[in-house]
Amino acid sequence: GAVVSQHPSRVICKSGTSVKIECRSLDFQATTMFWYRQFPKQSLMLMATSNEGSKATYEQGVEKDKFLINHASLTLSTLTVTSAHPEDSSFYICSARDSEGLAGAYEQYFGPGTRLTVT
Amino acid sequence: AQSVTQLDSQVPVFEEAPVELRCNYSSSVSVYLFWYVQYPNQGLQLLLKYLSGSTLVKGINGFEAEFNKSQTSFHLRKPSVHISDTAEYFCAVSEGGNKLVFGAGTILRVKS
Repeated sequence: GAVVSQHPSRVICKSGTSVKIECRSLDFQATTMFWYRQFPKQSLMLMATSNEGSKATYEQGVEKDKFLINHASLTLSTLTVTSAHPEDSSFYICSARDSEGLAGAYEQYFGPGTRLTVT
Repeated sequence: AQSVTQLDSQVPVFEEAPVELRCNYSSSVSVYLFWYVQYPNQGLQLLLKYLSGSTLVKGINGFEAEFNKSQTSFHLRKPSVHISDTAEYFCAVSEGGNKLVFGAGTILRVKS
C-alpha cells in the first residue's frame, strides 16, 4: 500500500515551452501533497505544499507563476513548469500524505521522481 | 526554524561491518524525525520514523535509530551492512507533522 506514482519519469523539452508533471496517490487519498526539487548531489528542497481544492502554498523564493500547481482531486496533483529554461533542469519529486491513515498521519510517501531536462 | 545536520557527506564501510550515520537537528518544539533512503534516480523510501514513545526505533532492512532529546540527535545504525545498502540516506524533521526539512544527505558506500 501507500504507493505514489509520477508521470513522466523523464522529459526533455525545449527552452520556452511548458511541461506538466503528474503526481498520483494510487491506493489512498491525499488532501496534501508536496513538491520537491533536487539538484545533483544535493538534498531535497520543498517547493510548495499542494492542498486539494485550494491554492498551493509556495516556499520563499519559489515563483508561483512559473511553477503552477493544481490539486484537483484527492489522488492527483500536477506541477506545470511554464516557460522552462535550462536552469529549471532538475529532479522533481512529489510526496503525498495519507489523509485517513492514523499510523501514517505524519508520514509522506514519495513518488519515484521526474527528471526534467530543458535544452 | 528547523534545521537538520548530517555530519558526514560520505561513509565508506566494508560489507558485514557495522555503520552509524549521524543526524542532529535543531528545533524549538517537539518534532517528528525520519530517515529515508534514496537509490539512484529514484524517489525516497521511508526507513523508520520517531513520533513518540520508545526512543529506539526499528525500521526496515535491519536499520534502527535512537532519538536522543538532550543531544538533539537521531543517529541511524545497522549492525551489519550489505552491498545492497549502498545508497544515499536522508534524515528529516517535521514540526507538527507538516512539511519536512531534510538534511544534506549521507552517501553510504559498502565495499566488498
